[in-house]
Amino acid sequence: NAGVTQTPKFQVLKTGQSMTLQCAQDMNHNSMYWYRQDPGMGLRLIYYSASEGTTDKGEVPNGYNVSRLNKREFSLRLESAAPSQTSVYFCASSERLGSTDTQYFGPGTRLTVL
Amino acid sequence: GQSLEQPSEVTAVEGAIVQINCTYQTSGFYGLSWYQQHDGGAPTFLSYNALDGLEETGRFSSFLSRSDSYGYLLLQELQMKDSASYFCAVRGTGGFKTIFGAGTRLFVKA
Repeated sequence: NAGVTQTPKFQVLKTGQSMTLQCAQDMNHNSMYWYRQDPGMGLRLIYYSASEGTTDKGEVPNGYNVSRLNKREFSLRLESAAPSQTSVYFCASSERLGSTDTQYFGPGTRLTVL
Repeated sequence: GQSLEQPSEVTAVEGAIVQINCTYQTSGFYGLSWYQQHDGGAPTFLSYNALDGLEETGRFSSFLSRSDSYGYLLLQELQMKDSASYFCAVRGTGGFKTIFGAGTRLFVKA
């Protein structure tokens, strides 16, 4: 059981470049999430997917798009990267959008936009 | 809207007990969660409270008072490896978004 995996682990982009962050989980979870974490701050929700085939905006969706490719995979795309998107990105999954809300996190992608 | 407040830093001695408080404002309420994050690592789930009272899991306990919109995480028999950031998180009934606090950095000294 790998849990939640993310690729790449590190990435440096130039302003205006695009890239896709990949996330996969092998726990048969229904719900998946993308967060960003800036230095000294908590996690802010970018987008989430309650179940396969659905996606919704979180707190900070501007500049990002997502795709729930299948039950296992949830990708995050930056169409035109900006320095303000320099952050650590975490993918997470949970069994369902239920009251216990236990989320399992991937190791993160450290993104720098120059 | 939703917001959470927790202290930015707490320092304690190895073997001691420490309490990390969290107050929240939310439209509706499902529950309060706690996560631990070591430097450079991913957040890991510690505990969850949906109802008032104390939940105990080994050296860690978490408390919730819904009427006071307040909870805390209690860490007993502190160990050096407990040095980490601790986040409270709340999900209100106004949507399926979990909101995280800014985190409390715990330093455990020998």
